[in-house]
Amino acid sequence: GQQVMQIPQYQHVQEGEDFTTYCNSSTTLSNIQWYKQRPGGHPVFLIQLVKSGEVKKQKRLTFQFGEAKKNSSLHITATQTTDVGTYFCAGRGSGTYKYIFGTGTRLKVLA
Amino acid sequence: DAGVIQSPRHEVTEMGQEVTLRCKPISGHDYLFWYRQTMMRGLELLIYFNNNVPIDDSGMPEDRFSAKMPNASFSTLKIQPSEPRDSAVYFCASSFLSQIEAFFGQGTRLTVV
Repeated sequence: GQQVMQIPQYQHVQEGEDFTTYCNSSTTLSNIQWYKQRPGGHPVFLIQLVKSGEVKKQKRLTFQFGEAKKNSSLHITATQTTDVGTYFCAGRGSGTYKYIFGTGTRLKVLA
Repeated sequence: DAGVIQSPRHEVTEMGQEVTLRCKPISGHDYLFWYRQTMMRGLELLIYFNNNVPIDDSGMPEDRFSAKMPNASFSTLKIQPSEPRDSAVYFCASSFLSQIEAFFGQGTRLTVV
C-alpha cells in the first residue's frame, strides 16, 4: 500500500536558522497537504499542492511539490520559537479520497 | 462554527471494557475521518465516511473496532473489548469535498489500563 515517509524525524535548530523537512511517497500523488501540530494539539492545515513542480509561499514558509508528484518539501526561513511543533505531509493517491499522513518531523527551536 | 467537536477529551478505562468515542463534524461537511495517533505508528487513518456512508475502513485494526455515522452531524468510534495497546489519541476530522483541508477535532486521549 501507499507509504509516506518524512525526514528528518527530529530537528533542533537555533532561532533564526533555516529548517527543511522532506516528504517522499512510494506512489504518485494526486495532491499533497501539509499540516502543523503543536505539542499537545491537533493537526492544523497549512497548505495544499496540486500541480507538478508547484511552489507556494506563506510568509517564511515555502512549499514545493516535486516534478514527479512523489515528493514534497517544506522550508522555513529564519525559524522562530512559534514554529515549534511537528510538521506532517499528507498525500492522496489517484482514485481515492483518503490521505496518508507522513511520519512527521518534530521541530524544536532553541532561543 | 465551533469546529469539530470530540468527546470525551480524556478517557481512562480498564481492559475489556467498551469504549465509545464521539464526534460532531462541522456543519455542511460531507467527509468525516477517524485517525489514531501513537508515537510508534504516527497518524493512521482508521476509516472515512462520505455523506454518512463508510467508504474505506481498511485502516480499522480489527473486529474490536467499529464506527458509525447515523446522520450528518454525529459519528461514533467504538472499541469492544478494549486492550492496553488501544491507548492512543483518536482524532476525528471533517472536510467539504475531499480535495481541500480537513479540520481536526481536539482529539480524545484514550488510556486502557
